[in-house]
Amino acid sequence: DTEVTQTPKHLVMGMTNKKSLKCEQHMGHRAMYWYKQKAKKPPELMFVYSYEKLSINESVPSRFSPECPNSSLLNLHLHALQPEDSALYLCASSQDRLNYGYTFGSGTRLTVV
Amino acid sequence: AQSVTQLDSQVPVFEEAPVELRCNYSSSVSVYLFWYVQYPNQGLQLLLKYLSGSTLVKGINGFEAEFNKSQTSFHLRKPSVHISDTAEYFCAVRPLGGGGADGLTFGKGTHLIIQP
Repeated sequence: DTEVTQTPKHLVMGMTNKKSLKCEQHMGHRAMYWYKQKAKKPPELMFVYSYEKLSINESVPSRFSPECPNSSLLNLHLHALQPEDSALYLCASSQDRLNYGYTFGSGTRLTVV
Repeated sequence: AQSVTQLDSQVPVFEEAPVELRCNYSSSVSVYLFWYVQYPNQGLQLLLKYLSGSTLVKGINGFEAEFNKSQTSFHLRKPSVHISDTAEYFCAVRPLGGGGADGLTFGKGTHLIIQP
């Protein structure tokens, strides 16, 4: 298995909803990442987990809450989002933080209404 | 800190013609260099990477790139493009050893448009 799987592929949520994005990999990678990509823009790093511990939080608002329950799974919990949070959310993984190879998932297209 | 400049936001090319997508970077430390491709409504797929050794690297789908340290460039080339190459292309860097801020630093992207 050489893939990063993200679910759901599409999500529409209201500003008062709570939802979660899921990312899974079975490549034995020990670093996992969340990126946010707005339309026609490059991906921007949000969070980095290394060995299931949060190592980088790029000043992301608290309405985004990451979780890494085990080495294969990464979640992003969403609460009280704003319409400007609508974007493609990409998950990636690599063998560890010092490894250069990233594998990206196909992303979750989030729309906040 | 690192920064990546992709000088062309959009490059139109006729099918079967050659193409070069330009990428320049700035960094106070040595970096790894990458090119990613993103098709509409998809994630990012690695085209090729430069880590060390030969400055000419070959990737998937017939693409290649040349690392030029003195010019801090990593331009992407393909000798003959196809309609299916229409996509967004991102150049990215990462510091050696993962020092400093982690994760990839991306350029703003170049939209490659293949015209029949």
